[in-house]
Amino acid sequence: DIQLTQSPPSLSASVGDRITISCRTTRGIGNYLAWYQQKPGKVPRLLIYDAATLQSGVPSRFSGSGSGTDFTLTISSLQPEDVATYHCQKYNSVLLAFGGGTRVEIK
Amino acid sequence: QLQLQESGPGLVKPSETLSLTCNVSGVSIINRSYYWGWIRQPPGKGLEWIGNIFYSGTTYYNPSLRSRVSVSVETSRMQFSLKLRSVSATDTAIYYCVRHWGGGHIDYWGPGTLVTVSS
Repeated sequence: DIQLTQSPPSLSASVGDRITISCRTTRGIGNYLAWYQQKPGKVPRLLIYDAATLQSGVPSRFSGSGSGTDFTLTISSLQPEDVATYHCQKYNSVLLAFGGGTRVEIK
Repeated sequence: QLQLQESGPGLVKPSETLSLTCNVSGVSIINRSYYWGWIRQPPGKGLEWIGNIFYSGTTYYNPSLRSRVSVSVETSRMQFSLKLRSVSATDTAIYYCVRHWGGGHIDYWGPGTLVTVSS
């Protein structure tokens, strides 16, 4: 089975900072990767799919990149409402899987 | 607008079977573009894919749960269901029913239901 590793597990940054979250897979998955945002106590929300396609309604400060085994979620200017845990998910086959999550906090 | 709603017992005894149903409203469950599925999240932990189902009944399961899980669909009732057998405390989690676009990314989530396994 393909494993997904997110790094860092948590990060703390200032409002306005550019932050990046990594998701690495143990084998190549093409661009079959999605990113979700989960605010405390809330349901996850789709941010990006197919590695780089922004879901409708998601602010443009969010972007995704990568293919194969290395993927990145970038928030270009961190806002207070971005405090959340971010999850990556692969779907290159019928066997789906998630990364362990990255918690983002404001300094 | 699609809505998903989980229902079922919030407390299940160890060794028994966890049973949940997801009611689908707003769109037809019969659609070649989507799969319907279950995700769970233990308290304070990450997301785990359980399994999903196509309207025709084709299913796919997480290998780590395959021996204990089954997902079924009742198209006439616009519902799909989850059964997880022989539960233990490690199965305590929020269970979400979801829609997978093309069997891949998840574009809709139910509100989730907390299931606690305890005697």
